[in-house]
Amino acid sequence: RKEVEQDPGPFNVPEGATVAFNCTYSNSASQSFFWYRQDCRKEPKLLMSVYSSGNEDGRFTAQLNRASQYISLLIRDSKLSDSATYLCVVNPGGSQGNLIFGKGTKLSVKP
Amino acid sequence: GAGVSQSPSNKVTEKGKDVELRCDPISGHTALYWYRQSLGQGLEFLIYFQGNSAPDKSGLPSDRFSAERTGGSVSTLTIQRTQQEDSAVYLCASSLALWNTEAFFGQGTRLTVV
Repeated sequence: RKEVEQDPGPFNVPEGATVAFNCTYSNSASQSFFWYRQDCRKEPKLLMSVYSSGNEDGRFTAQLNRASQYISLLIRDSKLSDSATYLCVVNPGGSQGNLIFGKGTKLSVKP
Repeated sequence: GAGVSQSPSNKVTEKGKDVELRCDPISGHTALYWYRQSLGQGLEFLIYFQGNSAPDKSGLPSDRFSAERTGGSVSTLTIQRTQQEDSAVYLCASSLALWNTEAFFGQGTRLTVV
């Protein structure tokens, strides 16, 4: 099982749609979790951290299920500007200080 | 500085030459990471630093790759005897601490080996 696994997509959705991305991770002791966004030929940027209780930021909702080792990102009322690749990121913690990135899910929002 | 700065932004080199990539992290950030990303691919972890120390070098693709960080600040990634498969965007990121904090990325160095 890969350390961080995501559906590569692409997800092609119309404006206004609700879209959900899923991510699974293999290390049950992982400490922290994030969603990053990467636009074409740009560097990744933090979209939001993912907390155990779930968290929301405007149209974006992130959830964590530690028992299932599963993270999700929900985007409501999609905008054209949401088109990007969404990266699931896990920090294993402990003696491992690296951030492990999933390969990303590509989202394309169409008019 | 205001953000993570990487130089050069683009580098074209001949196969077999050595290259040095530089990363200037955000001031005060103790953790620094190097990744590389080939066209259309995900981020491949190379190495991280906590201060000047790199506890895990197993992500470096071969012994042609090395990295150092001095003064808890600037880091350099050196690739010796470059090969065509080394062509990629090399991304550097820094964060306040190793865990539970946001990592900020530089704009990357696009390396092309011809």
